[in-house]
Amino acid sequence: GAVVSQHPSRVICKSGTSVKIECRSLDFQATTMFWYRQFPKQSLMLMATSNEGSKATYEQGVEKDKFLINHASLTLSTLTVTSAHPEDSSFYICSAPRLSTDTQYFGPGTRLTVL
Amino acid sequence: AQRVTQPEKLLSVFKGAPVELKCNYSYSGSPELFWYVQYSRQRLQLLLRHISRESIKGFTADLNKGETSFHLKKPFAQEEDSAMYYCALSGAGSYQLTFGKGTKLSVIP
Repeated sequence: GAVVSQHPSRVICKSGTSVKIECRSLDFQATTMFWYRQFPKQSLMLMATSNEGSKATYEQGVEKDKFLINHASLTLSTLTVTSAHPEDSSFYICSAPRLSTDTQYFGPGTRLTVL
Repeated sequence: AQRVTQPEKLLSVFKGAPVELKCNYSYSGSPELFWYVQYSRQRLQLLLRHISRESIKGFTADLNKGETSFHLKKPFAQEEDSAMYYCALSGAGSYQLTFGKGTKLSVIP
């Protein structure tokens, strides 16, 4: 079946550094991908829509300069958390819709811990 | 603004008992409603959607537009049903999802 992967699965970094998270659709092309954030014991909150070949669309309250999104190919979207701070610590999940089956697939998530 | 409400954080039932996970929504327009499930240490996966009107793993959900509800039901719970369940909605033709806070279902042997 269709699979979406994320790398890394977990990352620990120091405050002030930048962290890149990759989201890949492994056996289908995705012109659109979505990035969600999940705080402990809370729901998934949509952060932004990643569009292949164009700028990402950010949800209200999400800083685009803080969370840089690049969708350079039809199978890869990256989320870079710039100048990370402890409050950015969270679980980041991506998803990609497979249009041929009208089904959305989720990645396994990336646990970011900022010290 | 669109919103999905799952009033129960945790629901515990005995094996073989009926299960109902509640979901209410608010949306101006015609939404598409989904139930996603996350088993322990696994990724989020689609359980069912209202437009399919199908039963998956014995679960069903009916969209009630009058009550703006999309409750998930199963007549006889099984231990392997223990998981986190999320209700979600999207606008027609959109893949952007708004999630509820989730309900953890625990099936007691």
